[in-house]
Amino acid sequence: EIVLTQSPATLSLSPGERATLSCRASQSVRSSYLAWYQQKPGQAPRLLIYGASSRATGIPDRFSGSRSGTDFTLTISRLEPEDFAVYFCQQYGSSPWTFGQGTQVKIK
Amino acid sequence: EVQLVQSGAEVKKPGESLKISCKGSGYNFPDYWIGWVRQVPGKGLEWIGNIYPEDSGTTYNPSFQGHVTISADKSITTAYLQLNSLRASDTAMYFCARLGYSAATRTRGWFDPWGQGTLVTVSS
Repeated sequence: EIVLTQSPATLSLSPGERATLSCRASQSVRSSYLAWYQQKPGQAPRLLIYGASSRATGIPDRFSGSRSGTDFTLTISRLEPEDFAVYFCQQYGSSPWTFGQGTQVKIK
Repeated sequence: EVQLVQSGAEVKKPGESLKISCKGSGYNFPDYWIGWVRQVPGKGLEWIGNIYPEDSGTTYNPSFQGHVTISADKSITTAYLQLNSLRASDTAMYFCARLGYSAATRTRGWFDPWGQGTLVTVSS
């Protein structure tokens, strides 16, 4: 089973700042089969990125994803008030599909 | 608009079973896999399994196999998650979600969109 380790657990930033979230896989993720989700309290997760770097429909271009080996990064270029939430990564390249434990982006 | 609507919250006793439903609309339901994901309150997400409504083919996370059954009725565009022999550790929010598919790369595996979630509480 591929273990995804997200860091940091919590990120305290101000609106307008850049957020860089990390997701490290315990082994290679086949063909960049990794997605990112945003979850707000009391809501279901929302897809942001799939295939490591493809933005989902309707997702603003301030969200971007990248990969370097087994390290995946979600970048939010300039935080908007609505971006403060928890973010999860998920790999779907190897069964069982697994999720990271999440990074909470908080208002500083 | 693609939408998945789940059944309401449930309170069950240990040892009981329950079946959660997930009704899809706004797209051709049989053509897209549906997945189920569990979230223990305040914790992370766990993939339970998937079903292809066209032929009811399923894949399961081994951690859940034998404890859950995923099914679908394409005639009423609804997928189901049955949880057997419930225990306190099954207390969680359960989400269904449609699997995304890329024709360009012939890949699927991301979840979009998600149902609103069904809270299951198991307590004696």
